[in-house]
Amino acid sequence: DAGVTQSPTHLIKTRGQHVTLRCSPISGHKSVSWYQQVLGQGPQFIFQYYEKEERGRGNFPDRFSARQFPNYSSELNVNALLLGDSALYLCASSWQQETQYFGPGTRLLVL
Amino acid sequence: AQSVTQPDIHITVSEGASLELRCNYSYGATPYLFWYVQSPGQGLQLLLKYFSGDTLVQGIKGFEAEFKRSQSSFNLRKPSVHWSDAAEYFCAVGATMNRDDKIIFGKGTRLHILP
Repeated sequence: DAGVTQSPTHLIKTRGQHVTLRCSPISGHKSVSWYQQVLGQGPQFIFQYYEKEERGRGNFPDRFSARQFPNYSSELNVNALLLGDSALYLCASSWQQETQYFGPGTRLLVL
Repeated sequence: AQSVTQPDIHITVSEGASLELRCNYSYGATPYLFWYVQSPGQGLQLLLKYFSGDTLVQGIKGFEAEFKRSQSSFNLRKPSVHWSDAAEYFCAVGATMNRDDKIIFGKGTRLHILP
């Protein structure tokens, strides 16, 4: 079975630009969560979606937004990029309230 | 508020030696607890999880962890490490209120293996 997939794998943007990251969950999983991992730190929760509804939001500014599509895939959007947004962005999927399985991540570099 | 503390930022052990990585958590109810491993530049792989029941949990790659409620700890152990175990290890607690299944991670422990 395919695991969680994310695209792109790497991305370079400049300050002020916008970025869209994509995630496809494991087949049958209806929940998708997004995490930001800054170098040298543990992942920080950004959003969780379940059945296309936002179920949780971490302490991130409104520049960060997300959505989940009918096929349960998800997009994370970040507007007005800052240097501090450079990080590994991880997507995780789960069936219900239980184990989250992570994708390989998208590494974003903001110059 | 929920939190996870991994007191050791770096640990170095010799190949073949035993390993214990420490984790303490703060959570208002019975927690869901996890250990994940991350190799350089990679995503997170689940090693093991505790939801309920037997407090000694077996995972993949020969790892185990013990949940001790009285100490709010969930330490990860392996009897004999291999060079391929060198990676970053994250302890995490699941916050499962209102179907919000976010995970709160510790800052990680980087494991170095001496040949």
